[in-house]
Order: sequence, then C-alpha cells, then structure tokens
Amino acid sequence: QKEVEQNSGPLSVPEGAIASLNCTYSDRVSQSFFWYRQYSGKSPELIMSIYSNGDKEDGRFTAQLNKASQYVSLLIRDSQPSDSATYLCAVRPSNYQLIWGAGTKLIIKP
Amino acid sequence: GAGVSQSPSNKVTEKGKDVELRCDPISGHTALYWYRQSLGQGLEFLIYFQGNSAPDKSGLPSDRFSAERTGGSVSTLTIQRTQQEDSAVYLCASSLEKNGYTFGSGTRLTVV
Repeated sequence: QKEVEQNSGPLSVPEGAIASLNCTYSDRVSQSFFWYRQYSGKSPELIMSIYSNGDKEDGRFTAQLNKASQYVSLLIRDSQPSDSATYLCAVRPSNYQLIWGAGTKLIIKP
Repeated sequence: GAGVSQSPSNKVTEKGKDVELRCDPISGHTALYWYRQSLGQGLEFLIYFQGNSAPDKSGLPSDRFSAERTGGSVSTLTIQRTQQEDSAVYLCASSLEKNGYTFGSGTRLTVV
C-alpha cells in the first residue's frame, strides 16, 4: 500500500518565522512530488513541485527532497497570516495518479 | 478554458434523488480525476480518466456512483438515490501527463 504521511498539526508559527512542513512517503520509485495549499472552504492550489534531490526555491517557499530518506519538506520563510491554511503533500509513483497525504494545518500567529 | 470549471457550485437535493455533477477540464489535459472531500477531512479518490484508456473506478464508494467522460473532455459524475452520507464537496481536477493537478472550485452537495 503506497502511503504518504504528514503530521496533521495544527502547527503554530509566529509571524515572520520559518514554517517547516514535513512529509514522508513509502514508495521508493516515486518520481514527482508536490505541495498544495488549501484554504478553508477552497480547493487545493499547487504551490511547489520538485522532481530531483535537493532544494527548489520559489519566492518565500523552498521545497526540499531527499529520496534516500523518502521525505519531502516545505519551508515558508517570513511567514504571514495569509499563509495560514492546510498544506497537502502529494507524491506520484510510476503511474499518473498522485498519492495524497492528509494535510498539515498551519496557523501563523500575528 | 483557462481553468477547470465545475457546475453547479452548490447543489441541495432531497434524499433518494439523482444528481449530476459536471466538470470541464483544462483544454488539452489528458487526465481527469474526481475526488470527494467531507468537512475537515482529506481528499477521497473516486475515479480517474486517462486518455482513451478504461477509467480507474476503484475509488467509487458504491454502485450508486458512476462517471463518464465524453470525447476526452467534459466529465459527468452521477450519484443515484442520494443518501445523507453523500453530502460533501466534490472536486474535479485535470492534469497533463506527469504534471501536478489543477483543481476546479468544486461542487458542494447537500442531501437533505
């Protein structure tokens, strides 16, 4: 059974600090990794994708992938109250379907 | 279109009635997915269409649920004899091969 695990939270972070969200996955042949943000009452929105080991930066967001340890993380620098949302980790094994984590609820405290 | 379009955005139906939910994916996206999300819960996979291949129906919760995709584009999810436990947000997403998914805004279904 392919699995993606996330801490459900809530993760509470002070405004301006770095928020660190983690995700582990079970299928070693996974090839693509995605982070989605879902605001309450809204649909998930793709914010980061990463395909190779290392870091990928986009503005205040950095995705980190370590295939040997089977984890992927998302760092949010200079956290803002507008970053408060649920963050979903998704992993694609060999076929087209994504395997989803249950999400981590992030709360940024002003 | 520019994004994934779902209709209706809200649907209230009486228990036992049939409902149809529509999804219009991004033009050219070969893959289309239906998910269900209950309040405060994660994404529940329902069905997946990829090109002309047979759909993956492994997530459909009962035989009251069915879906079709016509002409490799628009998809309709049908729920027959709706039950209160069917109340949820139904999300459609599309993707191009190995890219991430783009979600529509969802249909909120309430069965009374």
